[in-house]
Parts: sequence; C-alpha cells; structure tokens
Amino acid sequence: GNSVTQMEGPVTLSEEAFLTINCTYTATGYPSLFWYVQYPGEGLQLLLKATKADDKGSNKGFEATYRKETTSFHLEKGSVQVSDSAVYFCALSLQGAQKLVFGQGTRLTINP
Amino acid sequence: DAGVIQSPRHEVTEMGQEVTLRCKPISGHDYLFWYRQTMMRGLELLIYFNNNVPIDDSGMPEDRFSAKMPNASFSTLKIQPSEPRDSAVYFCASSEGHVNQPQHFGDGTRLSIL
Repeated sequence: GNSVTQMEGPVTLSEEAFLTINCTYTATGYPSLFWYVQYPGEGLQLLLKATKADDKGSNKGFEATYRKETTSFHLEKGSVQVSDSAVYFCALSLQGAQKLVFGQGTRLTINP
Repeated sequence: DAGVIQSPRHEVTEMGQEVTLRCKPISGHDYLFWYRQTMMRGLELLIYFNNNVPIDDSGMPEDRFSAKMPNASFSTLKIQPSEPRDSAVYFCASSEGHVNQPQHFGDGTRLSIL
C-alpha cells in the first residue's frame, strides 16, 4: 500500500542550527510529495511540494528534494528560528488523486 | 479571502449526546475533507467529497459517524451517540479540483466527550 514514514520526534534544536527531518515513502506509481506545517492551535498549511523526481520544493528557507532512487523527501533548513517550532507532516498524493497520505508528524522545538 | 471556517472551535459534551461539527469550505473549491487528529493515531482521513458527493468514506470509524454536504458551501460531521474515545481535534479541509492543488485546512474543532 501507499505510506509515508517520518523520523520520530520530538526534535529539539537551538536557534540557528541546521535542520533535517527525514521522510521516506512507499507508493504505487509516481506520487507528488508535500510538506505541511501545523503551528499550535491551528490547522495544517502547505509548506512546499514537489511533483516529479529531482524537483526541489522551497519556501521560507525550507527545502526538500524529491529523490526517486531513495524514495525520500527530506526537509532541510540551514538556520532555524524559534518561530519554526511546530509539527511537520510529510505527505504524498497519487497521480490524479486528491487524497493525501500523511506521515505521523514530527514535533520540532527551537530554543533561543 | 476567508479560509476554511469550522465551528464550533471547542465542544465539551457528555457521553451519549449528539455532536454536530460544521465546515464552510473556501468558495470555488471542489473537494472537502474531514480529518481526525489524536496523539495516539495521528491524522486520519475520515471522508471526502467531490462536488458535494461522498467519494471515500472508508475512514469513518463506525456507524455512529455520518457526514453530509448538502451544498457547495457547507458540510457537517455528526457523531451520535458520542463516546469518550471520540475526543479529538477534527479538521475540515478543502481544495481545488486540479491535480496537485494543496489542501487548505480550517483551525479545527477540539471535541471533548466526558
């Protein structure tokens, strides 16, 4: 079946540290890949996406590259801020489908 | 533009009572999704609609749960009778009909069943 696996949290970093949150997927066909972010007390919002192999999605200093050979879509940021503290979800959708398959989420806390 | 609007934001009720959660999607969006989020199970898709028609309800936990979308601007998720294990945050999301369009989430309804 189709599934997404994220690195276990919680992740705690100091401000200005480098961030990586790992995400791997299993899918039939060629999925589109997404990262969503959930701030406290809010719903999820799209952070970035990539729709085909080798595409790089980027937004607000975050980046992720669609790696077909390793079935991965790791999230990175060079210098995190306290305001990046949130829960991050990796997700996939299959071609032609609107339904998303989400990972379990990774809670990130940035300390000043 | 207004985003997805959910009501109420918080609901506390006693076991056995009927609970109705409401959602107004973004105007022009063809798809509407209902999710449930808990610490134990994470984010679960309950049901989704396309042009007001239910497409996939395989995530609805049991017959106590029902969802309707009587028109393009309104949907309800009903639990009757409610049980303590239904306590969770329920999210509604909507998206346009084109491929790879993001889902836009409401701020959720935090439901507590005592």
